Amino acid sequence: GQQVMQIPQYQHVQEGEDFTTYCNSSTTLSNIQWYKQRPGGHPVFLIQLVKSGEVKKQKRLTFQFGEAKKNSSLHITATQTTDVGTYFCAGPNSGGYQKVTFGTGTKLQVIP
Amino acid sequence: NAGVTQTPKFQVLKTGQSMTLQCAQDMNHEYMSWYRQDPGMGLRLIHYSVGAGITDQGEVPNGYNVSRSTTEDFPLRLLSAAPSQTSVYFCASSYSGSSSYNEQFFGPGTRLTVL
Repeated sequence: GQQVMQIPQYQHVQEGEDFTTYCNSSTTLSNIQWYKQRPGGHPVFLIQLVKSGEVKKQKRLTFQFGEAKKNSSLHITATQTTDVGTYFCAGPNSGGYQKVTFGTGTKLQVIP
Repeated sequence: NAGVTQTPKFQVLKTGQSMTLQCAQDMNHEYMSWYRQDPGMGLRLIHYSVGAGITDQGEVPNGYNVSRSTTEDFPLRLLSAAPSQTSVYFCASSYSGSSSYNEQFFGPGTRLTVL
């Protein structure tokens, strides 16, 4: 079945440093979504990318969808303590748009 | 709007007991899903529904049953709890108006421990 892997699994950064997490799917994705989960909380939707090579920005966050639509990345510029949490990518598998496979997640810790 | 609600927030069961995790949404979403979250494994899809009366299996359906009698409710039943079902369970819903856009809204989760 479809597998979605993320690297790294954990990342500790000093506040103000940049951070990047990478998402790789075993199959081509029609779209990819990113979610953030704060410690003890639930996943919250950040963004969806649909087009090959698409780049979207949300303030200090930059999201990219690969040309082959099998990989994606999330880059945070100048991290802040509010960025702490686990970041997940997710994509629909061949079973349909509602059958979503989540990546393994990257847990970000920001050291003040 | 309350969004997606889940009850209970915490539950401890003994092996072999059964229980139902409740999930409700007030956004008139057609799509609803149940996930379990275990450390280092992300969220794994248990069951999902694309509308009232329609359910299907996800990645890890064994040991769980679902039904969808109304648009609002999507309960998850554990038939005979096992320690391997200790996890955090999230319910999610999403709009079905566009097949290419399916932002999921998650409930606060149920933390289940099976002894």
